[in-house]
Amino acid sequence: DAKTTQPNSMESNEEEPVHLPCNHSTISGTDYIHWYRQLPSQGPEYVIHGLTSNVNNRMASLAIAEDRKSSTLILHRATLRDAAVYYCILRALLRDDKIIFGKGTRLHILP
Amino acid sequence: DTAVSQTPKYLVTQMGNDKSIKCEQNLGHDTMYWYKQDSKKFLKIMFSYNNKELIINETVPNRFSPKSPDKAHLNLHINSLELGDSAVYFCASSQDQSSKETQYFGPGTRLLVL
Repeated sequence: DAKTTQPNSMESNEEEPVHLPCNHSTISGTDYIHWYRQLPSQGPEYVIHGLTSNVNNRMASLAIAEDRKSSTLILHRATLRDAAVYYCILRALLRDDKIIFGKGTRLHILP
Repeated sequence: DTAVSQTPKYLVTQMGNDKSIKCEQNLGHDTMYWYKQDSKKFLKIMFSYNNKELIINETVPNRFSPKSPDKAHLNLHINSLELGDSAVYFCASSQDQSSKETQYFGPGTRLLVL
């Protein structure tokens, strides 16, 4: 079972920031927090990941709570192309750890 | 250049047939995966190979047999296809098995069993 909880869906207006929340209250000290997204009719694609500190890349920012029990994916300026299902995933520091996808959050972008 | 490619993109076949899906990655990665996404859109891992060695084998019927001729290829053979096998199958690869490593997914193979 997925160890994360996300809202089923969210809406945002185009060109506005989007904050996608994720709860992972049972996270262990060595679990990485990964975000992937799946655009319609495509395979999942990597967005960002982090361990303890906030992370930024060209796609998004990841804000991790101090207790690491929650995190927020931030899209700074949403476009229509950002409409997708966003998955928040925990990955343990084990050699044979597998990705467990939950239901994710379906993000709708309104023009 | 396509990093992870799958063939065919679409596959329509009759129950009871045997079919194969091919996957190739040109990223030089050591680890490859097969995932199944069902009609409810749940995405679940089926198999993982590292340097041609089976690492993860989830609870999958033994009608499904992965084969890795080299570390750039991971094919999926399915015997005696059933209606419930209809789904989208995604191949993925990563540099290694580490949980820090990004997984790169292929475009998917849409399998419909009639």
